[in-house]
Amino acid sequence: QKEVEQDPGPLSVPEGAIVSLNCTYSNSAFQYFMWYRQYSRKGPELLMYTYSSGNKEDGRFTAQVDKSSKYISLFIRDSQPSDSATYLCALISGGSNYKLTFGKGTLLTVNP
Amino acid sequence: NAGVMQNPRHLVRRRGQEARLRCSPMKGHSHVYWYRQLPEEGLKFMVYLQKENIIDESGMPKERFSAEFPKEGPSILRIQQVVRGDSAAYFCASSTDPFGVEYFGPGTRLTVL
Repeated sequence: QKEVEQDPGPLSVPEGAIVSLNCTYSNSAFQYFMWYRQYSRKGPELLMYTYSSGNKEDGRFTAQVDKSSKYISLFIRDSQPSDSATYLCALISGGSNYKLTFGKGTLLTVNP
Repeated sequence: NAGVMQNPRHLVRRRGQEARLRCSPMKGHSHVYWYRQLPEEGLKFMVYLQKENIIDESGMPKERFSAEFPKEGPSILRIQQVVRGDSAAYFCASSTDPFGVEYFGPGTRLTVL
């Protein structure tokens, strides 16, 4: 079983839709949870960072963590064509504060 | 405020040649991380360096790969005697401390012919 599972998609939605992106993980040692956005041929860009169960909101983005189920989500409200990118979940275990473990990424296309 | 810089952006090597990838961290950042993104795979941690020290190289292949972050100048990821399986995007990230957010560069795309 892989440490982090993420559906690679692709996911295609119309402009204005609510998008839900998810990752599951197997190692309960993961304590910190991030979402990165990666545009084609670019480096990953940090979107959200959280370390506790519950929701964290930033503009149109909401990150949700359920440690009991080992499940994390990223919701995008009022999606825009500029949101079209690959979204990567990244986790850090409590024993290694710097080593990011990434999901494979979900390719999202928002159609105008 | 320049971000993390990597060069070259694209590198083509023939099998058996050496590849040198360079990374200049963000200003004020002294912690550097290298990740590799193989086709159809997620980003994988390779190595964590501070100035003049390798802190964690647990993700580095045992042979042909080495990394350094000298007192002056950029961090270098060196791949000797490249093989086709080394073809990938190599990303560098930097942070202010090991607990800090990692900011990524644009990557170097290595193609081995």
